Amino acid sequence: GAVVSQHPSWVICKSGTSVKIECRSLDFQATTMFWYRQFPKQSLMLMATSNEGSKATYEQGVEKDKFLINHASLTLSTLTVTSAHPEDSSFYICSARNSGPGGEGSGYTFGSGTRLTVV
Amino acid sequence: QKEVEQDPGPLSVPEGAIVSLNCTYSNSAFQYFMWYRQYSRKGPELLMYTYSSGNKEDGRFTAQVDKSSKYISLFIRDSQPSDSATYLCAMSVSGTYKYIFGTGTRLKVLA
Repeated sequence: GAVVSQHPSWVICKSGTSVKIECRSLDFQATTMFWYRQFPKQSLMLMATSNEGSKATYEQGVEKDKFLINHASLTLSTLTVTSAHPEDSSFYICSARNSGPGGEGSGYTFGSGTRLTVV
Repeated sequence: QKEVEQDPGPLSVPEGAIVSLNCTYSNSAFQYFMWYRQYSRKGPELLMYTYSSGNKEDGRFTAQVDKSSKYISLFIRDSQPSDSATYLCAMSVSGTYKYIFGTGTRLKVLA
């Protein structure tokens, strides 16, 4: 089945530094990838949608200059948290839209998530 | 009011029990209804999805959608300790591919 590899699984960084998170579709081409943020005991909140070769679309309230998304190829999307602050500490999850037979109902494969801690 | 409401739990049940997990929603345009399972510090994995109303069964899992009540359910029969996880419902308007997630219900199945 479709697999999405997300790295790193956890990262600790100092305030003011930048962190890059990678999301790769291993056995399929993902023209669209999504980035979510999840706080403890809260829902997944969609941050942005990235399409290969074009600019990402950010959800309302998400700072695009802080959360840089690049989708340079059909199998790789990256999220860079720039000038990280402790309030950016969260669980970040990517998902890729696949072309499975279920269509929209089963059309997403999620990565395993990245736990970011900013100290 | 949130578009999707889900009781966060935790819900503790003995092994072998039937588990009922539920979500309510306010957007009558939702057509796809998904249930995901998420283990601690992992990404969600799709359990089942339903298009429009009705029931769907897969092994020990049954998903139900009642669009008139804007209410969906996931039933787990013969629950096992390995079912202990957070269960998230998600919904989308057909054609948007934009999922709205519930907060998730944390389930603990006690051996």
